[in-house]
Parts: sequence; C-alpha cells; structure tokens
Amino acid sequence: NAGVTQTPKFQVLKTGQSMTLQCAQDMNHNSMYWYRQDPGMGLRLIYYSASEGTTDKGEVPNGYNVSRLNKREFSLRLESAAPSQTSVYFCASTRPLGDTQYFGPGTRLTVL
Amino acid sequence: EDKVVQSPLSLVVHEGDTVTLNCSYEVTNFRSLLWYKQEKKAPTFLFMLTSSGIEKKSGRLSSILDKKELFSILNITATQTGDSAVYLCAVGLNTGNQFYFGTGTSLTVIP
Repeated sequence: NAGVTQTPKFQVLKTGQSMTLQCAQDMNHNSMYWYRQDPGMGLRLIYYSASEGTTDKGEVPNGYNVSRLNKREFSLRLESAAPSQTSVYFCASTRPLGDTQYFGPGTRLTVL
Repeated sequence: EDKVVQSPLSLVVHEGDTVTLNCSYEVTNFRSLLWYKQEKKAPTFLFMLTSSGIEKKSGRLSSILDKKELFSILNITATQTGDSAVYLCAVGLNTGNQFYFGTGTSLTVIP
C-alpha cells in the first residue's frame, strides 16, 4: 500500500505557465481533497471531491481547476500560474463516512 | 463563516514541561474535531473527537472536546524534543465531508 502519492515533489514555474499536480490513493477511499499550506495560514481547502464523479469548491478555489479522473485519482490544474500560488500543496483522502484524513507528501510549488 | 482558531500560535518549552494547546471553532453542521501533528512534512493523525467530555489518550498526549463551549484542548505531558512540531486542529462538517483547519500551534521543545 503506497497510501496517497503526489507528483511532482517540487516544481518551479514562470508566471503564466500551466501545470497539473497529480494525486492518487490506493486505499479505496471515496473522498479526496486538495489543500494549500502557506506560512502562518494552516491548511486551506482548494477543492474537494466527496465521491467519484463530484467536485466542489473549498475556501480558496480561484485560479485552480480539478478533475476526479476515477476513484483513485484527483488532479489539480493551474491554468495560468501566479506568484500568489507559490505554496505547498497537499492532497488527502478519507474513507466512506470516515474523518481521518490521509495526506500525501506534498508538492512544493514556486511561481516566479 | 466557518472558522477554527488555535492558540497560542507558537510556544517554546523545556523538556519535561506540560503544555496545553487550544482549538475553538464556529462552524455549521459540526461532525468531528481532529488533531494532527506536522513535522516539516505531511500532517499525521493524532485524535478524533466527536463526543463531549470523553478524553482520548495516547501515551503522553490526551485531548478532550467541549461541544457546548465549542473548543478542544490537546495536552502533552513530560514533553520531549521529538514533540517539536506544528499541531493542527481540524473540524469535520456533515456537509459534503469538508474539513476546516486552524492555523496551527508551533511547539518547540528545548533540551
């Protein structure tokens, strides 16, 4: 069991470039989440998918899109990166009716 | 607006001290409160609380929830340098299986 995996681990982009962060879980979890973590800000929810086929906005969705490709995979796309999107991005998942979130190792993104 | 507030923001203690971390919340559709430990990487789960007044314990760590006053505390006794980390509080909602996180308390334990 790999748990929750994320790729890439590090990425540097120029303003205006696009990229997709990938997340996969092998625990058969229903719900998946994307968070960003900035210094002094805790974890802020960008988008979540309560179950396969559904996605919803969280606290800070602007500038991002998501795709729940199947039950295992949940990707986060930045269409036109901005320096304000420099952050550490975490993907997480939970089992059905479960509350414990399992987190991926994170992606450190820098936008110049 | 749903919010989760943790205090203090940071704390420096000596090994052997006891610390209490606080988490208060104002959310609609409360389901659970969770504590995580984060040591420069992904958060790891510590406790989940759903019922008022029932203490959860794991070794030197314990936590309790007060649903009437809308807060939880995390206690760490006989602190060790390995307890140095950011401690995150999160509240789970019944709507859409969402979670709101506090900003965290940064704990530093010095020898």
